[in-house]
Amino acid sequence: QSVLTQPPSVSGTPGQRVIISCSGSSSNIGTNTVNWYQHLPQTAPKLLIYGDNQRPSGVPDRFSGSKSGTSASLAITGLQSEDEAAYSCAAWDDTLGSGVFGGGTKLTVL
Amino acid sequence: EALLVESGGALVQPGRSLRLSCSASGFTFESYAMYWVRQAPGKGLEWVSTISYNSEYIHYADFVKGRFTISRDNAKNSLYLQMDSLSTEDTALYYCTKNGGLYSNSWYYGMDVWGQGTTVTVSS
Repeated sequence: QSVLTQPPSVSGTPGQRVIISCSGSSSNIGTNTVNWYQHLPQTAPKLLIYGDNQRPSGVPDRFSGSKSGTSASLAITGLQSEDEAAYSCAAWDDTLGSGVFGGGTKLTVL
Repeated sequence: EALLVESGGALVQPGRSLRLSCSASGFTFESYAMYWVRQAPGKGLEWVSTISYNSEYIHYADFVKGRFTISRDNAKNSLYLQMDSLSTEDTALYYCTKNGGLYSNSWYYGMDVWGQGTTVTVSS
């Protein structure tokens, strides 16, 4: 059972907008920033969003992050087939004194 | 291009030890905090340990405290994870990752470089 809760799967069609949610608590998302990672099959995870809503250089602006209270979201607009991957959120938890990840959400592009 | 390459994963029996290594290139290794993150089969990512750029700050997840030791050799651009008293629950793909912030331990910057991982299987 992950400390951060994500839906196991989401799906969308090419060109569509999808949102992946990440629910936490006051000791993690409510206090600290959230990062998002994309994990394509047979490849290393890639940092998509840091500091709640900042994109590293090279990440398309189709990907955006937001946060409200103890929940965060990753939005992907103009969905493409190559976006099919697993997406995980992460944050530091002050109560646990550890980094925590969500269980991951598998995005399927129909 | 920043690159991390892990090695040392193997099949080991419960209770035995293993040492993972991570070789870094393409960036100023001595200026960045580093992490070990693992992913058990069918499970999500799991933070294991953090070491600051100068080794003064070291932090472990509760499930490895007292069993795992993280270290680094900045002269050799290398990160290590000494794993003792291994159990079947430690079976996972272990990633070496880099903090995205210069001289920072903060999770704000995320883990901006990941290795391909090295597989640890603990089984009798």
